[in-house]
Amino acid sequence: NAGVTQTPKFQVLKTGQSMTLQCAQDMNHEYMSWYRQDPGMGLRLIHYSVGAGITDQGEVPNGYNVSRSTTEDFPLRLLSAAPSQTSVYFCASTVSSGRANEQFFGPGTRLTVL
Amino acid sequence: AQSVAQPEDQVNVAEGNPLTVKCTYSVSGNPYLFWYVQYPNRGLQFLLKYITGDNLVKGSYGFEAEFNKSQTSFHLKKPSALVSDSALYFCAVNDYKLSFGAGTTVTVRA
Repeated sequence: NAGVTQTPKFQVLKTGQSMTLQCAQDMNHEYMSWYRQDPGMGLRLIHYSVGAGITDQGEVPNGYNVSRSTTEDFPLRLLSAAPSQTSVYFCASTVSSGRANEQFFGPGTRLTVL
Repeated sequence: AQSVAQPEDQVNVAEGNPLTVKCTYSVSGNPYLFWYVQYPNRGLQFLLKYITGDNLVKGSYGFEAEFNKSQTSFHLKKPSALVSDSALYFCAVNDYKLSFGAGTTVTVRA
């Protein structure tokens, strides 16, 4: 199994550009989520999904959109990039939304917005 | 809202010495607590979790954590640290959404 995969690994955008960060998992996990990691702030939840067709907002959703058309894929869209969105983005998945389940993380996408 | 705090930004220890990374929690009801590790330029990896039962939880790579309800703490420990344990460590609590502490950078010197 490849686990959780993310593309691209690195991306540089100009302010106002849009892009999609890809995330896929091959473990048949129901629950998927997106986090951003900023120095001194840990990881903050952007959006999450408890199954195909179901998404919800996390702690810092503004400026980001998600959709979940299949169990495997959970792309994150930046509609109009801003310098404040410079960060490292991690996708994660787990079996279900149960509280006891540990999450599996992808390798991350390092995004710089100029 | 449930939260965790990691009071130390950095922990430095010599190889072979005990390693402790501190975490305190604030929850209502039973806490579901986790430790994750992030090696340089990698994603997070699960180390261990406390759900219920024994207060001493054993995990991967020789790590263990002690749950203390009276002190609302969940400290990560390793009896003898290795240089390869140098990484960023996160404590987290799961209330159907995972909330992370700010992280503690561990440096183990040879």
